[in-house]
Amino acid sequence: EVQLVESGGGLVQPGGSLRLSCAASGFTFSSYWMSWVRQAPGKGLEWVANIKQDGSEKYYVDSVKGRFTISRDNAKNSLYLQMNSLRAEDTAVYYCARATGAYGSFDYWGQGTLVTVSS
Amino acid sequence: SYVLTQPPSVSVAPGQTARITCGGNNIGSKSVHWYQQKPGQAPVLVVYDDSDRPSGIPERFSGPNSGNTATLTISRVEAGDEADYYCQVWDSSSDHRVVFGGGTKLTVL
Repeated sequence: EVQLVESGGGLVQPGGSLRLSCAASGFTFSSYWMSWVRQAPGKGLEWVANIKQDGSEKYYVDSVKGRFTISRDNAKNSLYLQMNSLRAEDTAVYYCARATGAYGSFDYWGQGTLVTVSS
Repeated sequence: SYVLTQPPSVSVAPGQTARITCGGNNIGSKSVHWYQQKPGQAPVLVVYDDSDRPSGIPERFSGPNSGNTATLTISRVEAGDEADYYCQVWDSSSDHRVVFGGGTKLTVL
């Protein structure tokens, strides 16, 4: 059974940092593009970042470029999102999701982890 | 950047057909994926590549895509279909970026 389990969310002050993790199981992690998608309270889905199977390609939404870094450790079946210089508008539930291909759908999602940026 | 436009809400009576649109410039040339999200839950893929269904998704869910509009069609709507629905594409012209529509709240009357 495919499982994606996020962790690392919490309350952080503006300007602070947080590292999210996503533990994957039930599939060959190294064979899939992976993504982070977030959802602000009461709002829609917003894609945050993608990473290729071997980590050689990474893409970001403009609003997080230079502040967030997506990475993966295929030996540990884990996906990460390092978030620096956090802003109030980064407050959201962050989901990790598996992509079926370079232009595919997101067929599996984690349960999400809440990040709250507030003083 | 590429923009997907969805109506904020759609209402339908049980047993009827719901159609949720997703507008985008020449969206017919892209693969469109649809997600269902119920309150407090993660999104669930219901249609991929315009009209295919993942295993476990009822045949009632389908989706044509052509021109500037993709449509998620839900036949014989049930109370359990009430949820938010999002369309999604990959913007291949812009560094593998992913675009979601703003979402449509489906209300079953």
